[in-house]
Amino acid sequence: SAVISQKPSRDICQRGTSLTIQCQVDSQVTMMFWYRQQPGQSLTLIATANQGSEATYESGFVIDKFPISRPNLTFSTLTVSNMSPEDSSIYLCSVSHNPLDEQFFGPGTRLTVL
Amino acid sequence: AQSVTQLDSQVPVFEEAPVELRCNYSSSVSVYLFWYVQYPNQGLQLLLKYLSGSTLVKGINGFEAEFNKSQTSFHLRKPSVHISDTAEYFCAGLMNTGFQKLVFGTGTRLLVSP
Repeated sequence: SAVISQKPSRDICQRGTSLTIQCQVDSQVTMMFWYRQQPGQSLTLIATANQGSEATYESGFVIDKFPISRPNLTFSTLTVSNMSPEDSSIYLCSVSHNPLDEQFFGPGTRLTVL
Repeated sequence: AQSVTQLDSQVPVFEEAPVELRCNYSSSVSVYLFWYVQYPNQGLQLLLKYLSGSTLVKGINGFEAEFNKSQTSFHLRKPSVHISDTAEYFCAGLMNTGFQKLVFGTGTRLLVSP
């Protein structure tokens, strides 16, 4: 298993600003992911955070809007840039030790953009 | 086409009654399947998973699921629900692509009433 913490747990931001979300894991993990959960909806994968290289983004998500860093095997950040109200969502970090096994999820960051 | 389909957006049930939450997957999804639960204002917690072996999988909190390859289904069941089972339930599967990607169904809200 893995214990995952995210900071901040929630935030209210003004449109046009940026917010950086941190994800910290209590052990080294092979893979880290970032998801978005829009109000009342399911989870959508934003990108896979690769240690030491650029993240791999899913269709519909771009680096300029969602820059991701992963400096080591236990930490990653997701920045939501130039925010608009449509970015209001829960952002979740997840990790996996094995590409063919379960992912463990953090508690999420609830973002509201005014 | 939806890769993972949860036909029921909401399932109301009385306490101590049995429940089945349905999940079907498409050919683009591998047979690595998962059920997650999300309690209000919390992250996702793994209920159970199917990776291989016995098609009947037992998970936490008395839940079980049956993998049915011919019907491409992975339905979740519990013989007797509690009020505390009220939550959102997500079925998920790993895609068949060479790069690990977990795709989620749209979720089923289980509402248990006294």
